[in-house]
Amino acid sequence: SQQGEEDPQALSIQEGENATMNCSYKTSINNLQWYRQNSGRGLVHLILIRSNEREKHSGRLRVTLDTSKKSSSLLITASRAADTASYFCATRNNDMRFGAGTRLTVKP
Amino acid sequence: DTAVSQTPKYLVTQMGNDKSIKCEQNLGHDTMYWYKQDSKKFLKIMFSYNNKELIINETVPNRFSPKSPDKAHLNLHINSLELGDSAVYFCASSLGTSGIDTQYFGPGTRLTVL
Repeated sequence: SQQGEEDPQALSIQEGENATMNCSYKTSINNLQWYRQNSGRGLVHLILIRSNEREKHSGRLRVTLDTSKKSSSLLITASRAADTASYFCATRNNDMRFGAGTRLTVKP
Repeated sequence: DTAVSQTPKYLVTQMGNDKSIKCEQNLGHDTMYWYKQDSKKFLKIMFSYNNKELIINETVPNRFSPKSPDKAHLNLHINSLELGDSAVYFCASSLGTSGIDTQYFGPGTRLTVL
């Protein structure tokens, strides 16, 4: 069964704005990972946050994790048109479970 | 230089046929996976192999049979294809089965069953 669920399903913003995507999950996890998928391509790993971490940064990406609420957020700051893609959260316990993704469109 | 490669990229076939999708990784990883992404973009794990041994086998019809001739290859054979098998199939690999291992994905194979 699916584990992570992303919210919103689709997000459209202007270049330069920040984009926030949320992920909720149901069971306990070892870590949570965010992936990006460009149209017609495979997924690319962006960032991993462990269950004992609350926040992590990587370039323009900021990920938070709230294990008490079983939720995570991915913030992309100063978005660019090239950030247009689908973003998936994946939770890891014994195996990896993906959500259906948030489709982000950044308009130039 | 491609890390995880899949062939073919597109596969169009008739219901009832048998087809195979091949996957190869040149990353030296021990673990490989097959995922199915449906039209709603849900990505669901099908199989996972570690060092040529099956470690995850989700509830997948037995028409799907993975084969790992060596740890760099994990092929997917599908018998008696059905309309519902139409999807994009992704192969992935990771260093091991550790929870912190990043998965590297292939470009996907779009299967269309007519």
